[in-house]
Amino acid sequence: SQTIHQWPATLVQPVGSPLSLECTVEGTSNPNLYWYRQAAGRGLQLLFYSIGIDQISSEVPQNLSASRPQDRQFILSSKKLLLSDSGFYLCAWSEAVTFYGYTFGSGTRLTVV
Amino acid sequence: QKEVEQNSGPLSVPEGAIASLNCTYSDRGSQSFFWYRQYSGKSPELIMSIYSNGDKEDGRFTAQLNKASQYVSLLIRDSQPSDSATYLCAVNAGNQFYFGTGTSLTVIP
Repeated sequence: SQTIHQWPATLVQPVGSPLSLECTVEGTSNPNLYWYRQAAGRGLQLLFYSIGIDQISSEVPQNLSASRPQDRQFILSSKKLLLSDSGFYLCAWSEAVTFYGYTFGSGTRLTVV
Repeated sequence: QKEVEQNSGPLSVPEGAIASLNCTYSDRGSQSFFWYRQYSGKSPELIMSIYSNGDKEDGRFTAQLNKASQYVSLLIRDSQPSDSATYLCAVNAGNQFYFGTGTSLTVIP
């Protein structure tokens, strides 16, 4: 069966520090991968999605970037965090044909101080 | 702009009652529709999917889809306090899904 791992679970970082969040999927190949952010009391905001290695689409202009160094690995990064980057970050995967829905990772609670 | 609209709530129902959650979407080309449940501080989990017009039942949950009206709903029968959560409607479009902002449900014991 497929599983998705996301870490760390919580993170407190000072303004201006770098960020690296990692997500890996097991039990499938060539998944679509997604990064979402959910601010407190708000909906899900799609940040990046990838349909393959070297195929990453950015949905929202910001100081975040994403990379996919391996087929089942998706990394969210920032060189300098802003206070507004605080939120709940969720990685998700779907089959290459997206008909059957997403499965989300357990999420990372990021607080920028 | 593809949109998914939900009433934000909060929706409160007594234990044992039926909770009705509604969702409308703008993209007529959407083919798959989902309901996710999100407990406070946790990630969303998929609870129902529906692909064709009509009703789909799974235990206490029934999803209803009307593509002509661009409307999806979720009924929860015999609501339990453990059903208290935010329910997110999601609709597929191309390589991604569009989510509503969620409806907060509280089941009162």
